[in-house]
Amino acid sequence: GAVVSQHPSRVICKSGTSVKIECRSLDFQATTMFWYRQFPKQSLMLMATSNEGSKATYEQGVEKDKFLINHASLTLSTLTVTSAHPEDSSFYICSARDPGQGVKGYTFGSGTRLTVV
Amino acid sequence: QKEVEQDPGPLSVPEGAIVSLNCTYSNSAFQYFMWYRQYSRKGPELLMYTYSSGNKEDGRFTAQVDKSSKYISLFIRDSQPSDSATYLCAMSWDNYGQNFVFGPGTRLSVLP
Repeated sequence: GAVVSQHPSRVICKSGTSVKIECRSLDFQATTMFWYRQFPKQSLMLMATSNEGSKATYEQGVEKDKFLINHASLTLSTLTVTSAHPEDSSFYICSARDPGQGVKGYTFGSGTRLTVV
Repeated sequence: QKEVEQDPGPLSVPEGAIVSLNCTYSNSAFQYFMWYRQYSRKGPELLMYTYSSGNKEDGRFTAQVDKSSKYISLFIRDSQPSDSATYLCAMSWDNYGQNFVFGPGTRLSVLP
């Protein structure tokens, strides 16, 4: 089946620094990728939708200057948390859509646990 | 009223029990219904996918959709400790999934 690789799986950074998370679709071309945030015991909250070669679409309340998304190729999207603060600590998950599979074509990465100290 | 509601649990059952997980929703435009399983510190994985109303069975798992009641269910027969996870329902207006909505998830623990 489709595989989405997300790295790193865990990262600890100091307050004020930036962190980049990568999401790669390994065996299909993902025209659209999604970034979610998940707090403990809560559901996935969509942060933004990125389409290859265009600017990401951010959900209401998500700071686009803080969460920079780049979708430079059909297999890679990156999320950069800029000037991270402890409140940015969370579990970040990407999802890539295989356009030929409809709603079944969404494959999630394994997530990145970000801890800002 | 939230768009998709789901009892967060936790739900604890003994091994071998039949588990019933449910979601209710408010928007009658939803046509596609999915169940995802998420293990701790992992991304969700698709378990079941159903279009419109009806039942679908896959091994020990059965998904039911009742659009008239805006109610979907996932049944797990002969539950195993390895089924312990968070189960999220998800729904979409169309097959492109541009309007994907997740439920909050139900934490399930199957005790040996």
